[in-house]
Amino acid sequence: AQKITQTQPGMFVQEKEAVTLDCTYDTSDQSYGLFWYKQPSSGEMIFLIYQGSYDEQNATEGRYSLNFQKARKSANLVISASQLGDSAMYFCAMREEYSGGGADGLTFGKGTHLIIQP
Amino acid sequence: GAVVSQHPSWVICKSGTSVKIECRSLDFQATTMFWYRQFPKQSLMLMATSNEGSKATYEQGVEKDKFLINHASLTLSTLTVTSAHPEDSSFYICSARVDRGPYSNQPQHFGDGTRLSIL
Repeated sequence: AQKITQTQPGMFVQEKEAVTLDCTYDTSDQSYGLFWYKQPSSGEMIFLIYQGSYDEQNATEGRYSLNFQKARKSANLVISASQLGDSAMYFCAMREEYSGGGADGLTFGKGTHLIIQP
Repeated sequence: GAVVSQHPSWVICKSGTSVKIECRSLDFQATTMFWYRQFPKQSLMLMATSNEGSKATYEQGVEKDKFLINHASLTLSTLTVTSAHPEDSSFYICSARVDRGPYSNQPQHFGDGTRLSIL
């Protein structure tokens, strides 16, 4: 079974500062993927970044980077130069992946409510 | 690209009514789609995996007779909440995975969700 733990229910950050959202996971799967999604108050799930368990380099997507530490089973999201529009719920998620190209559904953490203050 | 459309976005209906929610992949084929449920201020919970041309796989604790899933084509999956009751009120959201090669890093693309309110 997979488990995602996000220990920060809420965070207040000043605009333009960098912010790190914590995520640890537990799995017995050999191959898996880690994701971060943003959910604004309107409800849609916005994909931010992906890290494969076999990827040696940390993933980056614009202002988002994923600090992947496999031995510690952590996958923290770093947002550089935060903006007011970054205020939202942020979910860390994972899935088992298969060499044949299949993948399971996502297991989500409880989320972190990020509020960017001007 | 990789757009998932979900309809309707909001449903309010009386207890006992059956409600059908559609999930369409607009510009890609998806042999696998997923249905999630999210209660207010909580996380998303996987309900079932919808496989084109075969029966859906339900997560433990999800009643398959209550939540009927049909994945009749490579671009459409439907979730029907049968005889809905107030406790079924929730945010239902689907996702589709782009079918690519091994260890595909394609993210699961989500629809915009359906807010279901049962009176």
